[in-house]
Amino acid sequence: AQTVTQSQPEMSVQEAETVTLSCTYDTSENNYYLFWYKQPPSRQMILVIRQEAYKQQNATENRFSVNFQKAAKSFSLKISDSQLGDTAMYFCAFMKHYGGSQGNLIFGKGTKLSVKP
Amino acid sequence: NAGVTQTPKFQVLKTGQSMTLQCAQDMNHNSMYWYRQDPGMGLRLIYYSASEGTTDKGEVPNGYNVSRLNKREFSLRLESAAPSQTSVYFCASSEGQVFGNTIYFGEGSWLTVV
Repeated sequence: AQTVTQSQPEMSVQEAETVTLSCTYDTSENNYYLFWYKQPPSRQMILVIRQEAYKQQNATENRFSVNFQKAAKSFSLKISDSQLGDTAMYFCAFMKHYGGSQGNLIFGKGTKLSVKP
Repeated sequence: NAGVTQTPKFQVLKTGQSMTLQCAQDMNHNSMYWYRQDPGMGLRLIYYSASEGTTDKGEVPNGYNVSRLNKREFSLRLESAAPSQTSVYFCASSEGQVFGNTIYFGEGSWLTVV
Protein backbone atom coordinates (compact mmCIF):
# COMPACT_ATOMS: atom_id res chain seq x y z
CA ALA A 1 0.00 0.00 0.00
CA GLN A 2 1.12 3.51 -0.72
CA THR A 3 1.87 5.91 2.12
CA VAL A 4 2.72 9.60 2.15
CA THR A 5 4.67 11.19 5.00
CA GLN A 6 5.03 14.87 5.79
CA SER A 7 7.46 15.12 8.67
CA GLN A 8 6.96 18.82 9.42
CA PRO A 9 3.63 19.43 11.19
CA GLU A 10 4.22 23.19 11.33
CA MET A 11 6.56 25.69 9.72
CA SER A 12 6.89 29.43 9.61
CA VAL A 13 8.65 31.81 7.23
CA GLN A 14 9.10 35.54 6.95
CA GLU A 15 7.37 37.31 4.12
CA ALA A 16 9.49 37.43 0.95
CA GLU A 17 11.71 34.56 2.08
CA THR A 18 11.91 31.03 0.70
CA VAL A 19 10.62 27.92 2.44
CA THR A 20 10.75 24.22 1.58
CA LEU A 21 8.15 21.69 2.68
CA SER A 22 9.16 18.03 2.78
CA CYS A 23 7.28 14.99 1.58
CA THR A 24 8.32 11.37 1.25
CA TYR A 25 6.26 8.50 -0.04
CA ASP A 26 6.42 4.76 -0.25
CA THR A 27 5.30 2.80 -3.28
CA SER A 28 6.30 -0.14 -5.40
CA GLU A 29 4.79 1.49 -8.48
CA ASN A 30 7.01 2.88 -11.22
CA ASN A 31 4.49 5.22 -12.81
CA TYR A 32 2.47 7.57 -10.65
CA TYR A 33 1.58 11.19 -10.02
CA LEU A 34 2.39 13.49 -7.14
CA PHE A 35 0.54 16.61 -6.10
CA TRP A 36 0.74 19.47 -3.65
CA TYR A 37 -2.56 20.92 -2.52
CA LYS A 38 -3.03 24.07 -0.46
CA GLN A 39 -5.85 24.38 2.09
CA PRO A 40 -6.29 27.91 3.46
CA PRO A 41 -8.49 28.60 6.51
CA SER A 42 -11.51 28.60 4.21
CA ARG A 43 -10.89 24.82 3.83
CA GLN A 44 -10.98 24.98 0.04
CA MET A 45 -8.56 22.44 -1.48
CA ILE A 46 -6.50 24.20 -4.13
CA LEU A 47 -4.08 22.46 -6.45
CA VAL A 48 -0.63 24.03 -6.25
CA ILE A 49 1.45 21.81 -8.49
CA ARG A 50 1.61 18.30 -9.95
CA GLN A 51 4.44 16.05 -11.10
CA GLU A 52 4.37 12.99 -13.34
CA ALA A 53 6.85 10.39 -12.12
CA TYR A 54 8.01 9.57 -15.65
CA LYS A 55 9.16 13.16 -16.15
CA GLN A 56 12.65 13.92 -14.93
CA GLN A 57 12.16 17.66 -15.09
CA ASN A 58 10.89 19.21 -11.90
CA ALA A 59 7.53 20.97 -12.19
CA THR A 60 7.28 24.71 -11.59
CA GLU A 61 4.30 27.06 -11.25
CA ASN A 62 5.28 30.68 -10.77
CA ARG A 63 6.71 30.93 -7.22
CA PHE A 64 6.17 27.23 -6.54
CA SER A 65 8.58 24.51 -7.59
CA VAL A 66 9.26 20.93 -6.59
CA ASN A 67 12.36 18.86 -6.06
CA PHE A 68 11.37 15.38 -7.21
CA GLN A 69 13.86 12.66 -6.31
CA LYS A 70 12.36 9.44 -7.61
CA ALA A 71 15.01 7.08 -6.28
CA ALA A 72 14.77 8.61 -2.82
CA LYS A 73 10.96 8.80 -3.07
CA SER A 74 11.07 12.43 -2.08
CA PHE A 75 8.87 15.26 -3.34
CA SER A 76 9.54 18.61 -1.66
CA LEU A 77 7.78 21.90 -2.38
CA LYS A 78 9.71 25.17 -2.52
CA ILE A 79 7.86 28.44 -2.16
CA SER A 80 9.86 31.49 -3.21
CA ASP A 81 9.11 35.07 -2.25
CA SER A 82 6.57 33.93 0.35
CA GLN A 83 3.41 35.99 0.62
CA LEU A 84 0.92 36.36 3.45
CA GLY A 85 -1.66 34.62 1.26
CA ASP A 86 0.50 31.50 1.25
CA THR A 87 -0.48 30.87 4.87
CA ALA A 88 -2.31 27.52 4.75
CA MET A 89 -2.11 23.79 5.30
CA TYR A 90 -0.17 22.09 2.54
CA PHE A 91 -0.88 18.49 1.65
CA CYS A 92 1.30 16.21 -0.40
CA ALA A 93 -0.65 13.54 -2.30
CA PHE A 94 0.07 10.45 -4.39
CA MET A 95 -1.97 8.88 -7.19
CA LYS A 96 -1.29 5.61 -8.98
CA HIS A 97 -0.94 5.82 -12.73
CA TYR A 98 -3.14 2.82 -13.44
CA GLY A 99 -5.37 0.25 -11.83
CA GLY A 100 -7.20 0.41 -8.55
CA SER A 101 -9.68 3.10 -7.67
CA GLN A 102 -9.26 5.92 -10.09
CA GLY A 103 -8.81 9.21 -8.36
CA ASN A 104 -7.74 7.68 -5.08
CA LEU A 105 -5.40 10.37 -3.88
CA ILE A 106 -3.36 9.22 -0.90
CA PHE A 107 -2.71 12.26 1.28
CA GLY A 108 -0.10 13.06 3.88
CA LYS A 109 -1.20 14.60 7.17
CA GLY A 110 -0.22 18.07 6.07
CA THR A 111 2.17 20.87 7.03
CA LYS A 112 0.77 24.05 8.51
CA LEU A 113 2.66 26.99 7.01
CA SER A 114 2.51 30.43 8.56
CA VAL A 115 3.92 33.41 6.67
CA LYS A 116 4.84 36.23 9.04
CA PRO A 117 4.96 39.90 8.06
CA ASN B 1 -16.95 30.16 -12.69
CA ALA B 2 -18.65 27.74 -10.24
CA GLY B 3 -16.58 24.54 -10.67
CA VAL B 4 -17.70 22.05 -8.01
CA THR B 5 -20.62 23.11 -5.82
CA GLN B 6 -21.69 21.30 -2.65
CA THR B 7 -24.73 21.74 -0.44
CA PRO B 8 -25.27 22.18 2.41
CA LYS B 9 -22.14 23.94 3.70
CA PHE B 10 -22.97 23.18 7.33
CA GLN B 11 -25.24 20.61 8.96
CA VAL B 12 -25.85 19.30 12.46
CA LEU B 13 -27.50 15.89 12.75
CA LYS B 14 -28.64 13.76 15.63
CA THR B 15 -27.40 10.20 15.86
CA GLY B 16 -29.57 7.97 13.70
CA GLN B 17 -30.85 10.71 11.41
CA SER B 18 -30.31 10.52 7.67
CA MET B 19 -29.22 13.16 5.22
CA THR B 20 -27.93 13.64 1.69
CA LEU B 21 -25.06 15.82 0.59
CA GLN B 22 -25.52 17.17 -2.90
CA CYS B 23 -22.75 17.89 -5.37
CA ALA B 24 -22.75 19.30 -8.88
CA GLN B 25 -19.96 20.20 -11.29
CA ASP B 26 -20.15 22.37 -14.38
CA MET B 27 -16.84 21.38 -16.00
CA ASN B 28 -18.26 18.46 -18.02
CA HIS B 29 -16.05 16.09 -16.06
CA ASN B 30 -16.59 12.34 -16.33
CA SER B 31 -15.39 11.33 -12.87
CA MET B 32 -16.65 12.47 -9.48
CA TYR B 33 -15.58 11.69 -5.92
CA TRP B 34 -16.51 12.06 -2.29
CA TYR B 35 -13.77 12.48 0.31
CA ARG B 36 -13.84 13.08 4.04
CA GLN B 37 -11.33 14.99 6.12
CA ASP B 38 -10.94 14.38 9.84
CA PRO B 39 -8.96 16.63 12.21
CA GLY B 40 -5.22 16.43 11.65
CA MET B 41 -5.64 14.23 8.61
CA GLY B 42 -5.51 14.44 4.88
CA LEU B 43 -8.53 13.53 2.80
CA ARG B 44 -9.69 9.94 2.41
CA LEU B 45 -11.79 8.63 -0.47
CA ILE B 46 -15.29 7.41 0.43
CA TYR B 47 -16.79 6.61 -2.97
CA TYR B 48 -16.13 7.54 -6.54
CA SER B 49 -17.88 7.44 -9.90
CA ALA B 50 -15.53 6.92 -12.82
CA SER B 51 -18.27 7.76 -15.29
CA GLU B 52 -22.01 8.31 -15.43
CA GLY B 53 -23.82 5.17 -14.37
CA THR B 54 -20.97 3.65 -12.33
CA THR B 55 -19.98 3.94 -8.69
CA ASP B 56 -17.31 2.19 -6.65
CA LYS B 57 -16.10 2.07 -3.06
CA GLY B 58 -13.06 3.96 -1.96
CA GLU B 59 -11.02 3.64 1.21
CA VAL B 60 -13.74 4.36 3.81
CA PRO B 61 -17.19 3.50 2.34
CA ASN B 62 -18.92 2.02 5.41
CA GLY B 63 -22.02 3.94 6.49
CA TYR B 64 -22.45 5.76 3.17
CA ASN B 65 -24.26 5.35 -0.12
CA VAL B 66 -23.89 7.33 -3.31
CA SER B 67 -25.88 8.09 -6.43
CA ARG B 68 -24.56 9.39 -9.72
CA LEU B 69 -27.74 11.10 -10.79
CA ASN B 70 -26.40 12.30 -14.14
CA LYS B 71 -23.08 13.49 -15.49
CA ARG B 72 -23.19 16.68 -13.42
CA GLU B 73 -24.46 15.42 -10.07
CA PHE B 74 -23.14 12.98 -7.47
CA SER B 75 -24.81 12.71 -4.07
CA LEU B 76 -23.64 11.16 -0.80
CA ARG B 77 -26.17 9.74 1.65
CA LEU B 78 -25.81 8.93 5.31
CA GLU B 79 -28.63 6.53 6.15
CA SER B 80 -28.15 6.47 9.93
CA ALA B 81 -25.64 9.07 11.05
CA ALA B 82 -23.11 8.23 13.76
CA PRO B 83 -20.78 10.54 15.73
CA SER B 84 -17.84 8.91 13.93
CA GLN B 85 -19.14 10.50 10.74
CA THR B 86 -18.53 14.00 12.07
CA SER B 87 -16.16 15.36 9.47
CA VAL B 88 -15.68 17.76 6.62
CA TYR B 89 -16.86 16.26 3.34
CA PHE B 90 -15.43 17.23 -0.02
CA CYS B 91 -16.88 16.51 -3.41
CA ALA B 92 -14.47 16.55 -6.32
CA SER B 93 -14.34 15.91 -10.04
CA SER B 94 -11.86 15.24 -12.82
CA GLU B 95 -11.93 14.63 -16.53
CA GLY B 96 -11.37 10.97 -15.75
CA GLN B 97 -10.59 8.20 -18.22
CA VAL B 98 -6.95 9.29 -18.32
CA PHE B 99 -5.21 8.47 -15.07
CA GLY B 100 -3.53 11.27 -13.28
CA ASN B 101 -5.95 13.96 -14.38
CA THR B 102 -6.12 16.73 -11.86
CA ILE B 103 -8.88 16.49 -9.29
CA TYR B 104 -10.79 19.68 -8.50
CA PHE B 105 -12.48 20.05 -5.13
CA GLY B 106 -15.58 21.78 -3.86
CA GLU B 107 -15.49 24.03 -0.81
CA GLY B 108 -16.44 21.33 1.66
CA SER B 109 -19.44 20.53 3.83
CA TRP B 110 -19.05 20.59 7.60
CA LEU B 111 -21.12 17.83 9.21
CA THR B 112 -21.52 17.37 12.96
CA VAL B 113 -23.33 14.35 14.37
CA VAL B 114 -24.36 14.70 18.01
